[in-house]
Amino acid sequence: SQTIHQWPATLVQPVGSPLSLECTVEGTSNPNLYWYRQAAGRGLQLLFYSVGIGQISSEVPQNLSASRPQDRQFILSSKKLLLSDSGFYLCACSGALAANTEAFFGQGTRLTVV
Amino acid sequence: QKEVEQNSGPLSVPEGAIASLNCTYSDRGSQSFFWYRQYSGKSPELIMFIYSNGDKEDGRFTAQLNKASQYVSLLIRDSQPSDSATYLCAVVGASKLTFGTGTRLQVTL
Repeated sequence: SQTIHQWPATLVQPVGSPLSLECTVEGTSNPNLYWYRQAAGRGLQLLFYSVGIGQISSEVPQNLSASRPQDRQFILSSKKLLLSDSGFYLCACSGALAANTEAFFGQGTRLTVV
Repeated sequence: QKEVEQNSGPLSVPEGAIASLNCTYSDRGSQSFFWYRQYSGKSPELIMFIYSNGDKEDGRFTAQLNKASQYVSLLIRDSQPSDSATYLCAVVGASKLTFGTGTRLQVTL
């Protein structure tokens, strides 16, 4: 079965500082990978998704970026954090064929920008 | 129009009653439909998935899909206080997994 490792669990960063969140997946090959953000009391906002190494689709314009240097590694980055970047960041993966395969989530990173 | 829409609630039902959660989606090409449950501060966890029109039952949960109406629902029978959570509808289309904003369910004693 698939296991998603996401770290750190919590993070407090000052405005203007860089960000790097890492997600790795075990138990599957060539997964679809996703980064979501959830603001307090809100739904899941899709930030980026990837269907393969080096293939990144961005859903919303922002100061965040994503990379997939390896098949089972997905990284979310920012050069300069904004207060509005605070939230609960979730990495998810699904099977290579997105249809008929469910998505599993990591434990999430709660980011507070101060 | 949002890609996946849900009523934010809260939906309040007494213990033992049936809770009915609804979701509509805009992309007619959507292929797969999921219901997740999320407790406060936790990651979503999968409850059910459905791919074909009709009903799918799993224990106390029944998912219903109507592709012609672009509508998917989740019924929870014999609701328990532990079912109190936010329920997220998710839709897959073109390799993208899109969530609704979720419906908060409160099961009262």
